[in-house]
Amino acid sequence: ETGVTQSPTHLIKTRGQQVTLRCSSQSGHNTVSWYQQALGQGPQFIFQYYREEENGRGNFPPRFSGLQFPNYSSELNVNALELDDSALYLCASSLAGGDTEAFFGQGTRLTVV
Amino acid sequence: GQQLNQSPQSMFIQEGEDVSMNCTSSSIFNTWLWYKQEPGEGPVLLIALYKAGELTSNGRLTAQFGITRKDSFLNISASIPSDVGIYFCAAPPNYGGSQGNLIFGKGTKLSVKP
Repeated sequence: ETGVTQSPTHLIKTRGQQVTLRCSSQSGHNTVSWYQQALGQGPQFIFQYYREEENGRGNFPPRFSGLQFPNYSSELNVNALELDDSALYLCASSLAGGDTEAFFGQGTRLTVV
Repeated sequence: GQQLNQSPQSMFIQEGEDVSMNCTSSSIFNTWLWYKQEPGEGPVLLIALYKAGELTSNGRLTAQFGITRKDSFLNISASIPSDVGIYFCAAPPNYGGSQGNLIFGKGTKLSVKP
């Protein structure tokens, strides 16, 4: 186990709804990154949070937003859900700095119907 | 944008066989990473490569960072059933990425027949 925990593990939402996914980082890690993994694809970087602020963003629309809390845990919020948002959402925690390993959680499987 | 191209997409091998997969790009990267993902789990780092030409082993796994910095390969020797999974190459983008901000390939799905 990596020490990175995500909740919930599975979720079904209706198109147009909003969803919040949660991630607790590994002890001592101050940086959290979120990825979207569609079926049959590699993970795609959504954004990263460091010191409670967004610190880099991939090619995702503004309806994907996040938060990081003082204890370094994080939330991913997605508004106005679309069918294509159905995917495995992965959280990874790491220490700030280029070569420190990022550890992934087991992911949240989101299905939008 | 920067992309990583993995091949093959999938492999079906017999237990005991050696496996080779690779990852190429038209862009130069300064770090190459290899991950394994099993069903219902997140990716787990297998090997990290930080220097062009570097050859690194982790048990039965060996990976190399290409001299041109545009490719990497992963070899698995004497495969066993628990090697089943999807293997991803990944790299931090050159515009200030880190291991928390990675570009991933599409993966190589490995199946091992006992």
